[in-house]
Amino acid sequence: DVKVTQSSRYLVKRTGEKVFLECVQDMDHENMFWYRQDPGLGLRLIYFSYDVKMKEKGDIPEGYSVSREKKERFSLILESASTNQTSMYLCASSPSTLSWETQYFGPGTRLLVL
Amino acid sequence: TQLLEQSPQFLSIQEGENLTVYCNSSSVFSSLQWYRQEPGEGPVLLVTVVTGGEVKKLKRLTFQFGDARKDSSLHITAAQPGDTGLYLCAGARTTGNQFYFGTGTSLTVIP
Repeated sequence: DVKVTQSSRYLVKRTGEKVFLECVQDMDHENMFWYRQDPGLGLRLIYFSYDVKMKEKGDIPEGYSVSREKKERFSLILESASTNQTSMYLCASSPSTLSWETQYFGPGTRLLVL
Repeated sequence: TQLLEQSPQFLSIQEGENLTVYCNSSSVFSSLQWYRQEPGEGPVLLVTVVTGGEVKKLKRLTFQFGDARKDSSLHITAAQPGDTGLYLCAGARTTGNQFYFGTGTSLTVIP
């Protein structure tokens, strides 16, 4: 069964803290994605990766960085958390770069920055 | 501005009613997907459409891709409480590997 797991379901952090969000997939997928989800805005792509050590900026990369040292793991890093980064963060993976491939999502991490 | 606009943003209906959700853009997409997201979970794929004018049916759900591949609709017949959730469309542009998600439609079906 397809599985994408995220390290935390809920996180509370203070402004200025460095925050790590971890995502692991067990399907040997090539592509991995980080989105944030805000009411009325849908999902917005932060970064994606199509191979180990490769990364591409999405629509809203400012204030974020990513790391993909192993194929199954994709980390999102908030270098210095700010209150406007309070959001739901969703990780996804897909088998390849074909545009009709399914994206499999994790359950999400709800981050609150105080 | 969002590349894909969905309407309505919120929809609350009685069990047994029919409804249509729209996903519109001024851009052309090579494929379009519909996802449903339940509270506390990530989105789950319902369908992918790849051909302009294509219609796909999934039990009581009917999905249509516009002829010009710029828009799509989701029609639910005889809605059930189990249909409650957030419905998201997502389109892949003709260039690049990125999917663009719509703004979402939150559906509540009242028993």
